Amino acid sequence: ELKVEQNPLFLSMQEGKNYTIYCNYSTTSDRLYWYRQDPGKSLESLFVLLSNGAVKQEGRLMASLDTKARLSTLHITAAVHDLSATYFCAVDLSGSARQLTFGSGTQLTVLP
Amino acid sequence: GAVVSQHPSWVICKSGTSVKIECRSLDFQATTMFWYRQFPKQSLMLMATSNEGSKATYEQGVEKDKFLINHASLTLSTLTVTSAHPEDSSFYICSARGDRGHGYEQYFGPGTRLTVT
Repeated sequence: ELKVEQNPLFLSMQEGKNYTIYCNYSTTSDRLYWYRQDPGKSLESLFVLLSNGAVKQEGRLMASLDTKARLSTLHITAAVHDLSATYFCAVDLSGSARQLTFGSGTQLTVLP
Repeated sequence: GAVVSQHPSWVICKSGTSVKIECRSLDFQATTMFWYRQFPKQSLMLMATSNEGSKATYEQGVEKDKFLINHASLTLSTLTVTSAHPEDSSFYICSARGDRGHGYEQYFGPGTRLTVT
């Protein structure tokens, strides 16, 4: 059974600081997604990582995938308050989006 | 492209009644749709996979007679919560799987918040 572990579960950081959220998973997969969820809202797709070594960046967020280590990271650079949200990683065992297993989520709060 | 809608966005119903939630893919066809449930401060839990023209596949522990899923067309799946009880109160999110032209990704609807009184 695939296990997806995110850490930390809660993250409180100052504006302007950098931090990394980790997503570890237990079974081989080459496909991983990162999502953002605001309170009371659904998921917003941030990144789709499709192969080992994939790195994608959008604004202050950068995601990477190491399939050999079964690890993905979401790096936050110079955090701003607008980044406060819950971030989920999801591992795709099927390789074609037929089966996603979500991590428990990281609740990020960026303090002024 | 790849927009998924849900209706209603929120619903309050009395215990013992049934509630239907619709999930539509607006600008693409989806042979496969998924229904998730999310309790407060928790992650998404897959309830069932809905395939157009065939029976849904339910995850272990999800009662198929309580959560009826119908995927009658390539753009519409419905979830009916039958004989709802307060413990069914949750945030229900559907997703539609895009085909190769949409990068084989699940596109999520905006969610439906169900409150059973």
